Amino acid sequence: GQQLNQSPQSMFIQEGEDVSMNCTSSSIFNTWLWYKQDPGEGPVLLIALYKAGELTSNGRLTAQFGITRKDSFLNISASIPSDVGIYFCAGPIQGAQKLVFGQGTRLTINP
Amino acid sequence: SAVISQKPSRDICQRGTSLTIQCQVDSQVTMMFWYRQQPGQSLTLIATANQGSEATYESGFVIDKFPISRPNLTFSTLTVSNMSPEDSSIYLCSGQVDEQFFGPGTRLTVL
Repeated sequence: GQQLNQSPQSMFIQEGEDVSMNCTSSSIFNTWLWYKQDPGEGPVLLIALYKAGELTSNGRLTAQFGITRKDSFLNISASIPSDVGIYFCAGPIQGAQKLVFGQGTRLTINP
Repeated sequence: SAVISQKPSRDICQRGTSLTIQCQVDSQVTMMFWYRQQPGQSLTLIATANQGSEATYESGFVIDKFPISRPNLTFSTLTVSNMSPEDSSIYLCSGQVDEQFFGPGTRLTVL
């Protein structure tokens, strides 16, 4: 079945640094979603991408839909303490509205 | 945007018992889903909750273990039956308006 491989699994950075994470698949996705999950909460949608090559920003977050439709990237600029959490990529399984999730990237920020 | 609430937010249960989790959306949604998130893991789809008919289960999940109801377009329940410690997880409900949005989750511990 369709799977998403997300990397890195964890990141330890200094406050103010930029962050980059990515998600790849052997299958084509028509939509790429990026969620963030804070401890004790459900995932919250950050950015949705619908078109190959699309580059979309949400504040300090920027995400891109890869040209091959098999990958996506999420960048966070000038990280701040509230960026701490787990970031998940997700995409709809082809022909359905149900989602498959990547393994997540756990971001830790040292002040 | 729509808001999802879940009850209970957490529970500690004895093995062999059952727990019913409620999911309430503050507006009508066409699709509702139930996910499991085991400790330190990503989200795994349990089933699609269909309004007025039987839920559609993913591979590895069965109705006898995880019966689901969806009586209308704003409410669904998931029951975790005959629980064992392996069922200790976070259970998340999601609804779909454009993209999926999630409830805060129910943290279940089975002793």
